[in-house]
Amino acid sequence: GQNIDQPTEMTATEGAIVQINCTYQTSGFNGLFWYQQHAGEAPTFLSYNVLDGLEEKGRFSSFLSRSKGYSYLLLKELQMKDSASYLCAVETFSGGYNKLIFGAGTRLAVHP
Amino acid sequence: GAVVSQHPSWVICKSGTSVKIECRSLDFQATTMFWYRQFPKQSLMLMATSNEGSKATYEQGVEKDKFLINHASLTLSTLTVTSAHPEDSSFYICSARYGLAAVQETQYFGPGTRLLVL
Repeated sequence: GQNIDQPTEMTATEGAIVQINCTYQTSGFNGLFWYQQHAGEAPTFLSYNVLDGLEEKGRFSSFLSRSKGYSYLLLKELQMKDSASYLCAVETFSGGYNKLIFGAGTRLAVHP
Repeated sequence: GAVVSQHPSWVICKSGTSVKIECRSLDFQATTMFWYRQFPKQSLMLMATSNEGSKATYEQGVEKDKFLINHASLTLSTLTVTSAHPEDSSFYICSARYGLAAVQETQYFGPGTRLLVL
């Protein structure tokens, strides 16, 4: 089966660093994505990992360990606008298509 | 990045009516389009995958006779919710992709359509 786990909610302080973890067990793996979703809006792409290691993109970094089925998203210098849901998604190949399987999302609340 | 639009953004309808939602890729030709449904405080659940000119592939548990998908061209896919009921009220999001390889940012999401069935 397909299983993607991430914490339901997290809180952090403006200016701080927060790490959102994601573990996955999927049949097939073509890469792992992180998306940000504000309430009532569509997800926006943050990062993509297919090889083990850390990918850095400004204030956001994402790490992947394929052997452990584990990823994290690291947000630095938190801003109030970073309050959103963060979705971990694994791309698998099934039924002739590459498709994304999403985790339930982590709601991050950033406080002053 | 690529732009995907959805229309309408909001729909309120009576129980028993049918609702059509359009998804368009505005500046690229989408080889594949995906339809997701998201209930409040839950994640996106893939409903179906469609390629232009072929029948959609539905995920387990999704009724293909209730959720009709037409992918008439490389830039347009439609989802019709037939005989909608209050439990169909949800946030429907489409995404479009081009290319076949798993490359960075392969799917571009539309802004979503919020459906409320009374």
